[in-house]
Amino acid sequence: QTVVTQESSFSVSPGETVTLTCGLNSGSVSSANYPSWYQQTPGQAPRSLIYNTNIRSSGVPDRFSGSILGNKAALTITGALADDESIYYCVVAPNTGPWVFGGGTKLTVL
Amino acid sequence: EVQLVESGGASVQPGESLRLSCSVSGFNFRKFWMDWVRQAPGQGLEWVSHTNHDGSDKAYADSVKGRFTIYKDIAKNTLYLQMNSLRVEDTAVYFCIRENWGLEHCGQGTLVRVSP
Repeated sequence: QTVVTQESSFSVSPGETVTLTCGLNSGSVSSANYPSWYQQTPGQAPRSLIYNTNIRSSGVPDRFSGSILGNKAALTITGALADDESIYYCVVAPNTGPWVFGGGTKLTVL
Repeated sequence: EVQLVESGGASVQPGESLRLSCSVSGFNFRKFWMDWVRQAPGQGLEWVSHTNHDGSDKAYADSVKGRFTIYKDIAKNTLYLQMNSLRVEDTAVYFCIRENWGLEHCGQGTLVRVSP
């Protein structure tokens, strides 16, 4: 069974930079897995941040960037704001089949 | 502007059927793969199904295979999810998502509640 791994929680101070990661239990994540990232606050629909590894969705500030770091996909938030406090989900297309979501990272900004 | 608007969610009993709709605008619907994703109360996101540009290729999560059917009506710019034999564990908010070399735009969702 394919499992997408994310940090369960992360804390960052306002103005600092934070990098969240997204891995696969079966091996590496690469651009060929088309990693995407969503931001979700309670009671709201997921908001698309990044797709196809590093392409920002429309209206997403350039504080958010996607990349591959080592064997994982990564979402970097540069200069974190209080409004960035959310749950961040990554989703990838593993070699074994269609899309699999990670369990989400709860980001606290304090 | 890309817009995805889901509808059709309701409260039903186990074993019943429901059809969800996702009306799209702002892009060429016939050129994109489309997905359904769901989120059970208090849980994370779960991929449910997707279909290709013209609806000729489809895939489903194991949890819904044989019970749910995804299809597109290109003329109506609408994506559907026919859900049969609903179970309590299908209770969730269902979102439609546009694929674009990754999962991208997401609608606001529609709530399906299955309870005895």
